[in-house]
Amino acid sequence: DIVMTQSPDSLAVSLGERATINCKSSQSVLYSNKNYLAWYQQKPGQPPKLLIYWASTRESGVPDRFSGSGSGTDFTLTISSLQAEDVAVYYCQQYHTPLLYTFGQGTKLEIK
Amino acid sequence: EVQLVQSGAEVKKPGESLKISCKGSGYTFTNYWIGWVRQMPGKGLEWMGIIYPRDSDTRYSPSFQGQVTISADKSISTAHLQWSSLKASDTAMYYCARLGGGVPALWGQGTTVTVSS
Repeated sequence: DIVMTQSPDSLAVSLGERATINCKSSQSVLYSNKNYLAWYQQKPGQPPKLLIYWASTRESGVPDRFSGSGSGTDFTLTISSLQAEDVAVYYCQQYHTPLLYTFGQGTKLEIK
Repeated sequence: EVQLVQSGAEVKKPGESLKISCKGSGYTFTNYWIGWVRQMPGKGLEWMGIIYPRDSDTRYSPSFQGQVTISADKSISTAHLQWSSLKASDTAMYYCARLGGGVPALWGQGTTVTVSS
């Protein structure tokens, strides 16, 4: 299995400041020039919501303050200017292994 | 509206069987893989397995192989997750999710399963 490791486990950022979450995979998720890496946001009592796929493509309707970057084994989710509604747990997920997807352990984002 | 609607919360005793459901609507059910995800209380997301309703091709994550059964009934656009003998450790929220472009993009609202004597 590909193991996904996020850092940090939790993060407190002031409103309007930048938040950065990292995700590392145990093996490359790059194939045919595409990184099979997605990011999700989960708020309490809600299902996960897809934010980013192909490592850097925003899902329709996702605010442009959310961006994804990275390639191969190292990825980053950045929230450029934290809003109160961004408080959530964020997960990365690889979908490189056909139909045997794995998630990172999650990063809890709070307001400082 | 394209959506996945899951069955309601369940409370069961250890050793009992259970089948929960995930009904797709607003799209052609047989054209998309449906996956299942477990979230134990206060914990992260775990990928359990996936099914292609058109031909019932099913894959399980190693941790869940033999522990659960995933099935689909395309006549009623519904996927199922079932247990033959529940354990307390099966207490969790279970989500179904539809793949789009290989990514779980559409999620059900979740089904809470509580197993307690």
